[in-house]
Amino acid sequence: NAGVTQTPKFQVLKTGQSMTLQCAQDMNHNSMYWYRQDPGMGLRLIYYSASEGTTDKGEVPNGYNVSRLNKREFSLRLESAAPSQTSVYFCASSEWSSYNSPLHFGNGTRLTVT
Amino acid sequence: QQQVKQSPQSLIVQKGGISIINCAYENTAFDYFPWYQQFPGKGPALLIAIRPDVSEKKEGRFTISFNKSAKQFSLHIMDSQPGDSATYFCAASIPSGTASKLTFGTGTRLQVTL
Repeated sequence: NAGVTQTPKFQVLKTGQSMTLQCAQDMNHNSMYWYRQDPGMGLRLIYYSASEGTTDKGEVPNGYNVSRLNKREFSLRLESAAPSQTSVYFCASSEWSSYNSPLHFGNGTRLTVT
Repeated sequence: QQQVKQSPQSLIVQKGGISIINCAYENTAFDYFPWYQQFPGKGPALLIAIRPDVSEKKEGRFTISFNKSAKQFSLHIMDSQPGDSATYFCAASIPSGTASKLTFGTGTRLQVTL
């Protein structure tokens, strides 16, 4: 069991470039999430997918789009990267579509936008 | 708007000592309070969680104390070990919707010295 796998691990983009962060889980979990982690700000929810076929905005969705490709995969797309999107991005999954279902995180993608 | 305030930002404790991290929340609708532990280069992992209907929960050396009237909760690490050196995040979620949408604190970097 690999758990939650994120690719790539590191990425450098120039302002205005686009890219897609990939996430896959092999735990047959229903819900998936994208968080960003910035120094002094903790983790903030960007988008989530409560179940296959649904996606919803979190706390900081501007500048991002997501796709729940199937039950296993949930991608995050930056259409036109900005320096403010420099961050560490974490994908997570939870077994149940419930507010108290534990989150299982991947090891993150460190993104730098110059 | 930071709904979960965490302190201190960093903490140095000697091996064998007690580490205490505090969190305060504003939204009385929060109903689930987990703590996550994060090692460098890794994603956060669930450590322990509590519901507001209990005042304390203990798992091994880790204890959550919960004060509903003060809207505060804290993590106590007894007999702290160098292997406990990590960043700790408190979090909270509301029992609504169909996903685990956590609001995280800003994190506490714990260093346990020999």
